[in-house]
Amino acid sequence: RKEVEQDPGPFNVPEGATVAFNCTYSNSASQSFFWYRQDCRKEPKLLMSVYSSGNEDGRFTAQLNRASQYISLLIRDSKLSDSATYLCVVTRAGTALIFGKGTTLSVSS
Amino acid sequence: DVKVTQSSRYLVKRTGEKVFLECVQDMDHENMFWYRQDPGLGLRLIYFSYDVKMKEKGDIPEGYSVSREKKERFSLILESASTNQTSMYLCASRLLGVDNQPQHFGDGTRLSIL
Repeated sequence: RKEVEQDPGPFNVPEGATVAFNCTYSNSASQSFFWYRQDCRKEPKLLMSVYSSGNEDGRFTAQLNRASQYISLLIRDSKLSDSATYLCVVTRAGTALIFGKGTTLSVSS
Repeated sequence: DVKVTQSSRYLVKRTGEKVFLECVQDMDHENMFWYRQDPGLGLRLIYFSYDVKMKEKGDIPEGYSVSREKKERFSLILESASTNQTSMYLCASRLLGVDNQPQHFGDGTRLSIL
């Protein structure tokens, strides 16, 4: 089982749609979890941390299920500017961040 | 705001050359990292460092070495560059000892080995 697995997509959705990304991780000792966003030919940038209780930032909601080792990201009311690759990230032994290969989202008008 | 600066955005070198990629961060972070990113393979960890003069191998250290002589600077060295090291290289830093601290990335260096 890969350390961090994501559905690569692409997800092609119209503006205003709700879209959900899923991610699973294999290391039960992982303590910190994140979603990063990466635009074409740019560096990854932090979108949001993921907390056990779930957390929301505007149109974005992240959930963590430690028992199932599963992380999700929900984007509501998609905008054209949400088009990017979304990277699921977990820590390995509390130090290095290990990245999934990313899920590509394309929002069209 | 954390600033991670990589010395070059684009670099072209020849096979067999020794190549240095430099990274500097301005937030006194203990942890620093080097990744490479390739299509279809995502970001892969090459080396990381907990602190000055400390280094740990990541998942793909072969053909690379690193140097951390000062806390703010983490250098990646390609000892004898090969064409399969053509890639996007990303440096990152992170605060140690606090939960849920993210990594902050530099702009990346697109390295081509001819």
